[in-house]
Amino acid sequence: KQEVTQIPAALSVPEGENLVLNCSFTDSAIYNLQWFRQDPGKGLTSLLLIQSSQREQTSGRLNASLDKSSGRSTLYIAASQPGDSATYLCAVIHRTASKLTFGTGTRLQVTL
Amino acid sequence: DGGITQSPKYLFRKEGQNVTLSCEQNLNHDAMYWYRQDPGQGLRLIYYSQIVNDFQKGDIAEGYSVSREKKESFPLTVTSAQKNPTAFYLCASSIMGGGNEQFFGPGTRLTVL
Repeated sequence: KQEVTQIPAALSVPEGENLVLNCSFTDSAIYNLQWFRQDPGKGLTSLLLIQSSQREQTSGRLNASLDKSSGRSTLYIAASQPGDSATYLCAVIHRTASKLTFGTGTRLQVTL
Repeated sequence: DGGITQSPKYLFRKEGQNVTLSCEQNLNHDAMYWYRQDPGQGLRLIYYSQIVNDFQKGDIAEGYSVSREKKESFPLTVTSAQKNPTAFYLCASSIMGGGNEQFFGPGTRLTVL
């Protein structure tokens, strides 16, 4: 059974700092990995999708990497801003399944 | 303006009642999904549908039912058999095929009184 873990559960950083969020998964036979952002009481916003054949994806200040063999992904946020404050979720989809398996998220607070 | 809409945003239910949550998408996506989110837990899949008139159970389907009569719509009914229905419910959609990017609606918060 696929398990997805995100560390740390919560993180507080001052504005302007670069930061890394971690995601690990137990079964490396994944099809892709998706990073989401969730604001309190809202739905999920897709940030980046990494296919299993890719090593990384970039969108603006965000960079996500994938190392399937070690079962790890990282989300790098450059020059953090207060507007980045949210919960960040990673999810993987197995090659033989149609569903996403989610981690419990990292709650990020960027302070002024 | 393409996207996924869910209604209502907030829903209150008395014990013993069935309630139906609406999910509509105009993205022309074939696949649609229902997830449940509880505090401190990751999202869990309730039901999913990859094509009209067909759907499959997810990890926590007991006490829920769905229908897929139209490509654009995938309503979820929370029945009285669901023992702990208070949660945040999220609908998602994607193009056909495993592994494609999923897009989410704004969610419905259901509270049992």
